[in-house]
Amino acid sequence: AQKITQTQPGMFVQEKEAVTLDCTYDTSDPSYGLFWYKQPSSGEMIFLIYQGSYDQQNATEGRYSLNFQKARKSANLVISASQLGDSAMYFCAMREGPGGFKTIFGAGTRLFVKA
Amino acid sequence: DTGVSQNPRHKITKRGQNVTFRCDPISEHNRLYWYRQTLGQGPEFLTYFQNEAQLEKSRLLSDRFSAERPKGSFSTLEIQRTEQGDSAMYLCASSATGGGGYTFGSGTRLTVV
Repeated sequence: AQKITQTQPGMFVQEKEAVTLDCTYDTSDPSYGLFWYKQPSSGEMIFLIYQGSYDQQNATEGRYSLNFQKARKSANLVISASQLGDSAMYFCAMREGPGGFKTIFGAGTRLFVKA
Repeated sequence: DTGVSQNPRHKITKRGQNVTFRCDPISEHNRLYWYRQTLGQGPEFLTYFQNEAQLEKSRLLSDRFSAERPKGSFSTLEIQRTEQGDSAMYLCASSATGGGGYTFGSGTRLTVV
C-alpha cells in the first residue's frame, strides 16, 4: 500500500536562508508521481512542484526544488531564500501509476519563517 | 477562470441534520476530487469523478455520504444525519487528464454541534 511519511511536525528557518522539508514514501508501483503542496493559514492548498518517478533530473520551480532520491524513497522539498510568506503547512503527496487518479497526502510540516 | 469555487465556506449544523456542499471546478478540468481534512492532518481522499462518472469512493465514506456530478460540471457532496465526527474541512479539487497537480478550492469548513 502506498504511504507518505513526513517526520517533521514543525520547522523554523531564518528569513533568506534555505530550508529542507523531509518526505519519504512507500509504494510497490514503479510508476508514480510525487507532489508538494503549500497550505497557508487561509486554508487553500496550493500546488508547488511535481516529480515523476522516471524523471532523471530533480524538479525545480522558482525557489522550490525537489531532492529526489529514488533508492532511498525520499522526496525532500528545498526552499531557497525563505520569505516571511513561506510560513505555512507543507504537504508531501504521491499518486501511483500512469493512469492513477488518487493522491495520498502526508501529515504535513508546519514551517515558520523568522524575520 | 476564477479557479475552483466551493460553497459555502463555513457551515454549522446540528447533529442529525443533512448538509450539502457545492464545488465548481475549473471548466476545462474533467477530473474532480473530494477530500476531507481534520485539524493537524493531511487531506484524506473521499471520492473521484471523471466527467460525470464517479469512479471511486473511499471506504472512509459511510452510506450517509453521497456525491454527484451531473453533466460533468459542478459537484455536490451531501452528508445525511450528520455526526460530530463529520466536523472537518471538505476540500474539492480538479485536474485535467494526464496528471499534474490538483487545483484546490478554499474548502468548506463543517462544524457539527
